[in-house]
Amino acid sequence: TQLLEQSPQFLSIQEGENLTVYCNSSSVFSSLQWYRQEPGEGPVLLVTVVTGGEVKKLKRLTFQFGDARKDSSLHITAAQPGDTGLYLCAGHGNYKLTFGKGTLLTVNP
Amino acid sequence: KAGVTQTPRYLIKTRGQQVTLSCSPISGHRSVSWYQQTPGQGLQFLFEYFSETQRNKGNFPGRFSGRQFSNSRSEMNVSTLELGDSALYLCASSLLADYEQYFGPGTRLTVT
Repeated sequence: TQLLEQSPQFLSIQEGENLTVYCNSSSVFSSLQWYRQEPGEGPVLLVTVVTGGEVKKLKRLTFQFGDARKDSSLHITAAQPGDTGLYLCAGHGNYKLTFGKGTLLTVNP
Repeated sequence: KAGVTQTPRYLIKTRGQQVTLSCSPISGHRSVSWYQQTPGQGLQFLFEYFSETQRNKGNFPGRFSGRQFSNSRSEMNVSTLELGDSALYLCASSLLADYEQYFGPGTRLTVT
């Protein structure tokens, strides 16, 4: 069974702080995706990483995929209240996404 | 381009009843997947359809079923509802197999 573990489970920070959340897998996926979900809505795709060692930047968000393609991290610089939400990582393989349980981020103004 | 749409958005049912949820994928997307989201278990994969064929199924009882139509629209059905079936049911579509998935807003099902 492929599992994805995310840490921390909860994170509450002040506006302007930096943060990193982690996603670790027991196995290799063909690709890994990060999503952000707001209450009552579906997850919104942020990025897909495919290649081991890959780094992608999306404005203040930086995504890294581990060399062995079993772990990933999301770093947010100068967090803003609009970054508040549930951050989910998901591994893609065998026609399905396997999700971690997410990191619930609260950015206080 | 319109996103994934799901109907209804909210539903309240009684134990023992059955329910059908509908999903319309992004135009041109042929793969549709269904997920159940609960606070305790997170997002769990239910099943995936591509060109009307179910290619993968998650670890859910047979009360959960689905189908896909020739226009790629999909429905899922839950029979003999239980309290534990209360959840947000999410549909996602993608262009091809093993490709990026785009989620709809979900159907919030409450079983009383």
